[in-house]
Amino acid sequence: GENVEQHPSTLSVQEGDSAVIKCTYSDSASNYFPWYKQELGKRPQLIIDIRSNVGEKKDQRIAVTLNKTAKHFSLHITETQPEDSAVYFCAASKGTGGFKTIFGAGTRLFVKA
Amino acid sequence: DSGVTQTPKHLITATGQRVTLRCSPRSGDLSVYWYQQSLDQGLQFLIQYYNGEERAKGNILERFSAQQFPDLHSELNLSSLELGDSALYFCASSPLAGDNNEQFFGPGTRLTVL
Repeated sequence: GENVEQHPSTLSVQEGDSAVIKCTYSDSASNYFPWYKQELGKRPQLIIDIRSNVGEKKDQRIAVTLNKTAKHFSLHITETQPEDSAVYFCAASKGTGGFKTIFGAGTRLFVKA
Repeated sequence: DSGVTQTPKHLITATGQRVTLRCSPRSGDLSVYWYQQSLDQGLQFLIQYYNGEERAKGNILERFSAQQFPDLHSELNLSSLELGDSALYFCASSPLAGDNNEQFFGPGTRLTVL
């Protein structure tokens, strides 16, 4: 069945360093790849997303890259700050017909001041 | 604030009982999704409704059911509760039927089964 694998499960970086989280998906028909950030005890919130017709998207310190051939996409956070500490979830969906969004297991990011 | 509301915020009940969780989507959103998040786990998709109709089903147990009403609010019913059903239950909404758009999550309902 459809699957999204996310690595690493835990990531600890020093403030100011970069953080990279990687996901792979199994369904080649997937065409929408959002990333959600969930702070402790809070709801998940979208931070960036990318569609399959684009290879890279950037929003300030956050960027996402997509390799459709390898079925792989990554989140890059530069100049990390303590407030970036949270759990990050990648996801993949096909969109049409109400197909379900498959979430990765999450990456717990710690940014040390 | 995403505009999605969920009630109650917390729910404590006993095994074997039945509970109903309620979700009101953002104004204008027609799709509602339900997710289960167990402690330190990811988001498990349960079910999606679009404009009152069931649209997609995930790993939802037979003891669980949901519906979306004409005013677009949704309810998730959990019955014959077990200890393992203790989790955070999120609903999310989006404007369209397809889920290739941002989903706006509510604050969640924390269910504790004792």
